[in-house]
Parts: sequence; structure tokens; C-alpha cells
Amino acid sequence: DAGVIQSPRHEVTEMGQEVTLRCKPISGHNSLFWYRQTMMRGLELLIYFNNNVPIDDSGMPEDRFSAKMPNASFSTLKIQPSEPRDSAVYFCASSFAQGTGNTIYFGEGSWLTVV
Amino acid sequence: AQSVTQLDSQVPVFEEAPVELRCNYSSSVSVYLFWYVQYPNQGLQLLLKYLSGSTLVKGINGFEAEFNKSQTSFHLRKPSVHISDTAEYFCAVSPLSQAGTALIFGKGTTLSVSS
Repeated sequence: DAGVIQSPRHEVTEMGQEVTLRCKPISGHNSLFWYRQTMMRGLELLIYFNNNVPIDDSGMPEDRFSAKMPNASFSTLKIQPSEPRDSAVYFCASSFAQGTGNTIYFGEGSWLTVV
Repeated sequence: AQSVTQLDSQVPVFEEAPVELRCNYSSSVSVYLFWYVQYPNQGLQLLLKYLSGSTLVKGINGFEAEFNKSQTSFHLRKPSVHISDTAEYFCAVSPLSQAGTALIFGKGTTLSVSS
């Protein structure tokens, strides 16, 4: 059974460039989450979707960040323009939201370095 | 709003010793509680979760956790650790009342097991 698939796994980019991170959730899951992990701030929720609809984007740091979920099997997180302080591991996660207390399954992460 | 405090950022132990990783939470509503583990360069995976019923929850790899509502704690324990348990451990909460909601994570505890 395929888990959450993220791409790219590693990206090094120059400041000012656009970065697009991609995520394929587990088939049948209807909730999708984007988290960012840094040493200083730990795991931060950026945004999450239920049934492809953004529910809470209050964690998106600023207008340079945007996320979309055009269908149930694909989501993107875009940073434009990128800055060195965006360097982090970005995790996508998904769950089947039936009731509450559902397990969230994480991808392997996209390791972003902005130089 | 919910928050999670992991009281120890690093816990060094020797192999075969017992370990306890401490987690306290704050919430104005009832919550579900989770422990996730992150091995180096990997995503997070679920160790165990408390939804209801017995306050002692058993998880994978010999870990268990006890929910204490009066102390708002959910400490993780293992009676005898192995080198392979070296990882980052995250405590997380989600509110009971909201389906498909995101998890709020603590900042993590690094467990280092040495021989």
C-alpha cells in the first residue's frame, strides 16, 4: 500500500526562485495537511484541507506561501519568492476523516535549502 | 486552542534502561492524544494514540503511554530501550469535537540510546 508521496525529496534553490512542493495523499483519504519542521520552531501546521477545501491556513507564514488541492489525489505548496529562512523540511500528511481521532500519515518530507 | 509541552528536549539513556518521555497538554476542550516517532531523515509514524477507555495505551515497539486527565499528561514509557529506539519523539493532540482536524505537536524529545 503506497503511503503519502512527496516530491522532490531534496531541493536546493537560490533566493528569489519559485519552489513548488508536491504531494500525493494516500488513496481514499479526504484530509491533507502541510507541516513545516525546523530546529527552532519544531513542527508547524501550515494549512490543511478537507475534501479538497482549505479549512485552516492560519499557519501559512506570509503571502509568499500558497497551497492548492485541485483534486483528491494531488496538492502543491508553492513558495514565491523563496528566502533563506524558508529552509526547512516540509511534510505532507493525510488521513481519512471519519469521526474524530483519526491517524494522520506522513510522507518522507521535502528537504528545502534556499541559498 | 490546544498546546503541547514536552518537558525534556533531550533524553540520553543507556541500552536496556527504562525511559519516560514527558508530555503535558493544555486545552479548553477534551482532546485525543498521540505519540509519533521520527527516525533520522524520515517522516513521522504513529507509535500509539489515546481516544477513550483504558488510560494505559500500548503501542508499537514495546512503548506505552498513560493518560492522566487530572494532570493533563500523557507520558510515554518503555521498560527497556534498544539502540534502535534512538529517534525524535513527538506528542500531539487534537480536539474531540472536530472531525478531520489537524494535530498540534509538541517540540519533540530526542531520545539517544547508547551502549
